[in-house]
Amino acid sequence: NAGVTQTPKFRILKIGQSMTLQCTQDMNHNYMYWYRQDPGMGLKLIYYSVGAGITDKGEVPNGYNVSRSTTEDFPLRLELAAPSQTSVYFCASISSGTGAEQYFGPGTRLTVT
Amino acid sequence: GQNIDQPTEMTATEGAIVQINCTYQTSGFNGLFWYQQHAGEAPTFLSYNVLDGLEEKGRFSSFLSRSKGYSYLLLKELQMKDSASYLCAVRDQGSGNTPLVFGKGTRLSVIA
Repeated sequence: NAGVTQTPKFRILKIGQSMTLQCTQDMNHNYMYWYRQDPGMGLKLIYYSVGAGITDKGEVPNGYNVSRSTTEDFPLRLELAAPSQTSVYFCASISSGTGAEQYFGPGTRLTVT
Repeated sequence: GQNIDQPTEMTATEGAIVQINCTYQTSGFNGLFWYQQHAGEAPTFLSYNVLDGLEEKGRFSSFLSRSKGYSYLLLKELQMKDSASYLCAVRDQGSGNTPLVFGKGTRLSVIA
């Protein structure tokens, strides 16, 4: 199993550009999450999904959109990039069950200038 | 609201024992997690507590007191590779897959 994979690893965007961060997991997990992590800070939840076709906002959803058309994929879309979206983005997934471990992807480091 | 507090930085000596504390105030409680994150890498799972008491896993142990809203991560026989950030996270309510709320992390430096 590859686990959780994310692409790209690094990206530089100009203000106002758009892009999609890809996330794929091959563990057949129903639950998937997008977090952002700013320097010296913990992880903040952007969006999450409890299954294909279902998504919910997290703590910091403004400026982002998601979709979940399949169990495996959970892309994160930035429509009009802003400097405040410079961050490291982590995708994670979890199998069902209380206490189940969250598996994280390697992250995407995004800079908006 | 939700609030999770942990020290920003700690330094400890190789071979020693270090305790990283975490206090939380959440509307509910359904489990506390500790993650390790090396610089530039993704977090990796260390431990999970849902009942009061100590959970031991090799050199790492985690303790929980629900009445006090308090947990700690204990690292024994410190090694240089333990230099990392340690994130405390709480599942505040709901089902087993309610999203976690993370603290800001404690950056641990292990020195010779």
